[in-house]
Amino acid sequence: DVKVTQSSRYLVKRTGEKVFLECVQDMDHENMFWYRQDPGLGLRLIYFSYDVKMKEKGDIPEGYSVSREKKERFSLILESASTNQTSMYLCASSSAETQYFGPGTRLLVL
Amino acid sequence: GDSVTQMEGPVTLSEEAFLTINCTYTATGYPSLFWYVQYPGEGLQLLLKATKADDKGSNKGFEATYRKETTSFHLEKGSVQVSDSAVYFCALSPNTGRRALTFGSGTRLQVQP
Repeated sequence: DVKVTQSSRYLVKRTGEKVFLECVQDMDHENMFWYRQDPGLGLRLIYFSYDVKMKEKGDIPEGYSVSREKKERFSLILESASTNQTSMYLCASSSAETQYFGPGTRLLVL
Repeated sequence: GDSVTQMEGPVTLSEEAFLTINCTYTATGYPSLFWYVQYPGEGLQLLLKATKADDKGSNKGFEATYRKETTSFHLEKGSVQVSDSAVYFCALSPNTGRRALTFGSGTRLQVQP
């Protein structure tokens, strides 16, 4: 079975802090994705990566950056957290059209 | 751009009732279509998928048929159980270029005993 893990299930941070969300997959997938999930909005794509050191902006990249130094790991970085970044963050990986999701990180920014 | 529209919830049903959750899409070309399910406190799990017109995806008693003429992918189940209570997301993936999913807003299903 594909396994996608995320470093934390719950995080509480203060405004202005730098936040790192880590995602690891164990299936040698080329593609990895970060989404945020908000009530009534479904999932929205923040960034994705189709290879090591390669990244592309999704639909809502503002306020975020990413890093992919190894194939299995894709990190989402909030350079200076703000309250409007309080959300559920979901990581996914894929080798073809089917994406496999991690359990999510619920981030609260105070 | 691509978009997915699904019926708003919550949908509340009694156990053993028939379920339909409507999903329509707008996309260029021939996307793949998916239903994902999210149980409380968990991430998304793939429920079923269809990759071309007239394909029927099925899993755990759920079914959905890829209808290109109506650009729809409605989710159905003949007899729901309390354990089916969850949020259901319809999504599409283009078969060329960017492979990220475009999601609908999700439909919460509540099944009462």
